[in-house]
Amino acid sequence: KAGVTQTPRYLIKTRGQQVTLSCSPISGHRSVSWYQQTPGQGLQFLFEYFSETQRNKGNFPGRFSGRQFSNSRSEMNVSTLELGDSALYLCASSWDWGDQPQHFGDGTRLSIL
Amino acid sequence: AQSVTQPDIHITVSEGASLELRCNYSYGATPYLFWYVQSPGQGLQLLLKYFSGDTLVQGIKGFEAEFKRSQSSFNLRKPSVHWSDAAEYFCAVMTGNQFYFGTGTSLTVIP
Repeated sequence: KAGVTQTPRYLIKTRGQQVTLSCSPISGHRSVSWYQQTPGQGLQFLFEYFSETQRNKGNFPGRFSGRQFSNSRSEMNVSTLELGDSALYLCASSWDWGDQPQHFGDGTRLSIL
Repeated sequence: AQSVTQPDIHITVSEGASLELRCNYSYGATPYLFWYVQSPGQGLQLLLKYFSGDTLVQGIKGFEAEFKRSQSSFNLRKPSVHWSDAAEYFCAVMTGNQFYFGTGTSLTVIP
C-alpha cells in the first residue's frame, strides 16, 4: 500500500514568487491536512481538507491556500513568498474529517532565497 | 488557548536504559492526546493515542504513555531503549478538530 506522497521533495524559490506543493494521500483516505515545520515555531497546523472542502484552518495568512481534488489529492499554494516561509511542509492523510493525522508524507523542503 | 509543552528539548540515554519523555497540556477539558516520532529520513509516525478509558495506553515499538488528569500530563515511556529509537518525539493534542504539536524532544541513544 503506497504511503502519503509529497512532491516535490525540495524546492528553491526567491522572495515574491509563488509555489505549489502536492500531496497524494493513502488510497481510501479522504482527509488531508498540512503542517509547516520550522526550527523556531515547530510543527504548526495549516489546514485540513475533506471532500474537496477546507474544514479547518490554522493561524496563517491568506497567502497560504490549498485545495483538494475529487480523488482526494491536495495541493497547497503559497503566494508572495517571504524568507520566513522557508520550512518543511508536511501533509498527512486520514480516513475521515476530524481524525488525527495518521500517515505523514516525507515532506517538501522549501527554501526561500 | 490550548498549548502543549515538552519541557525537555534534548535527552540522552544509554541503550538499554529506561526512557520517559514529558508532555504537559493546557486545556479546560481532556483533549485527545498523541505521541509521534520523526526519524531522520522518515516521516512522522503515530506512536500511540489516548481518547478516553484506561489511562495507560500501549503503542507501537514498545512505547507506552500514561495520562494523568491531575497533572495535565501525558508522558511517554519505554522500559529499554534501542539505538533505533534515536529520533525526535512530538506530543500532540487535538481539541475541536484543531491539532497542536509540542516543540519536540530530541532523543540521543548512546551505546
